[in-house]
Amino acid sequence: EPEVTQTPSHQVTQMGQEVILRCVPISNHLYFYWYRQILGQKVEFLVSFYNNEISEKSEIFDDQFSVERPDGSNFTLKIRSTKLEDSAMYFCASSPSSGGEGEQFFGPGTRLTVL
Amino acid sequence: GIQVEQSPPDLILQEGANSTLRCNFSDSVNNLQWFHQNPWGQLINLFYIPSGTKQNGRLSATTVATERYSLLYISSSQTTDSGVYFCAVGDSGNTPLVFGKGTRLSVIA
Repeated sequence: EPEVTQTPSHQVTQMGQEVILRCVPISNHLYFYWYRQILGQKVEFLVSFYNNEISEKSEIFDDQFSVERPDGSNFTLKIRSTKLEDSAMYFCASSPSSGGEGEQFFGPGTRLTVL
Repeated sequence: GIQVEQSPPDLILQEGANSTLRCNFSDSVNNLQWFHQNPWGQLINLFYIPSGTKQNGRLSATTVATERYSLLYISSSQTTDSGVYFCAVGDSGNTPLVFGKGTRLSVIA
């Protein structure tokens, strides 16, 4: 069964460093999402992406964040200058577009620790 | 935006017991999903259920969209059912999901 994959599974970085989190969505899906979950809290939406552009973003998704689909398979989230409060689990998700079916399929997550 | 409330926040069960988890939402939705977050932090899709009833083994779910709630039933609970159960909703097919705060389930042998 097709699944969303994410790399790395864990990332440790120093405050102020740039990180890139990578995702491979399910191959025939057209909508892509990033969510994050700070430890012990609920999952929060960051950004959605469709047709090679951002379709919606939350107030969390400020200028230090960017997303890109550099080729036909990868979908990346870049954090330019990490802060301690960026430590969280980051989930990528994808969904198909046909027929209004909006089930989102989540990857296993990348746990980011900023020191 | 849509508000999602889950109850109870915490639940402790003896192995073999049954349980019902509830998700209330504040507006009409076209997407509702239940997830189980395992001890490694992964979100496991349980059900995509914007309306109606579905069953998968010991788990079943019912969404009554007109009354804005969904229920997740766990029967004959096992220790491996422990974790956090999240309900998430969206107001149309591909809009972002809004998650509840979850129900933390602990099943004791």
